[in-house]
Amino acid sequence: AQTVTQSQPEMSVQEAETVTLSCTYDTSESDYYLFWYKQPPSRQMILVIRQEAYKQQNATENRFSVNFQKAAKSFSLKISDSQLGDAAMYFCAYRITQTGTYKYIFGTGTRLKVLA
Amino acid sequence: DTAVSQTPKYLVTQMGNDKSIKCEQNLGHDTMYWYKQDSKKFLKIMFSYNNKELIINETVPNRFSPKSPDKAHLNLHINSLELGDSAVYFCASTYGGGETQYFGPGTRLLVL
Repeated sequence: AQTVTQSQPEMSVQEAETVTLSCTYDTSESDYYLFWYKQPPSRQMILVIRQEAYKQQNATENRFSVNFQKAAKSFSLKISDSQLGDAAMYFCAYRITQTGTYKYIFGTGTRLKVLA
Repeated sequence: DTAVSQTPKYLVTQMGNDKSIKCEQNLGHDTMYWYKQDSKKFLKIMFSYNNKELIINETVPNRFSPKSPDKAHLNLHINSLELGDSAVYFCASTYGGGETQYFGPGTRLLVL
C-alpha cells in the first residue's frame, strides 16, 4: 500500500530553536518526488520544500532542510531558527505514477506550535 | 495574480441540496485535482483530470461529479449533500511532467 506516516501529531518549539518533523513512507517505485507542505490557519497549502528521490543531496530552502534516507524511506524536515510564522500544520507527501498520471499521497500532518 | 482560484471560499447549505464549487488555474497546467480535507486535516485525493479527461477517481460516491470544460477549469458538483460532506475541498494543478502541485485556497463546505 502507498502510505505516508507522520508519527508526531503535534510538536512544539521555542522561537529561534530548531525542530525536526518526521515522515516515513512506503512505495515500491524507485523514482519519485517527496514534498513538505505547510498549511497555516489561513488553510492555504504552501510548498515548503521538495526532494527528488534520485538525488542523494538533501534539499535546502533557507531555514528549511530535509534529511532524506532513501533506504529507510524516511524524509524528515528540519526547521532552523524557528519563527512565530512557522506555526502551522505540516504535511509530508510523495508523488507516484498511476494510470498515466501522477498521484500525490499525503500524510496526516503534524501541527507545529512555536512558543515565544 | 492568483494562480489557482476557487469559488466560493465558504459554502453553508442544508442536507439534500445540490451545490457546485468552481476551480480555475492560470498556470497553463494540464492536470487538475480535487482533494477533500476532513475535520482531522486528512487530505485525500478525490479526482484527477488531465487535459479534460478523468484519470483518477478514488471511489468517491457518485453524488460527486467533476466536470472539466477545458484544461484550465475543473468544477465539482455535489448532489444530495450529506452531513459527512462537510469538509474543506481543495483544487490543485500541476503540469503533467512537473513535480509540484499548486493548491487553491480551499472551499469550506458546511452541511447543516
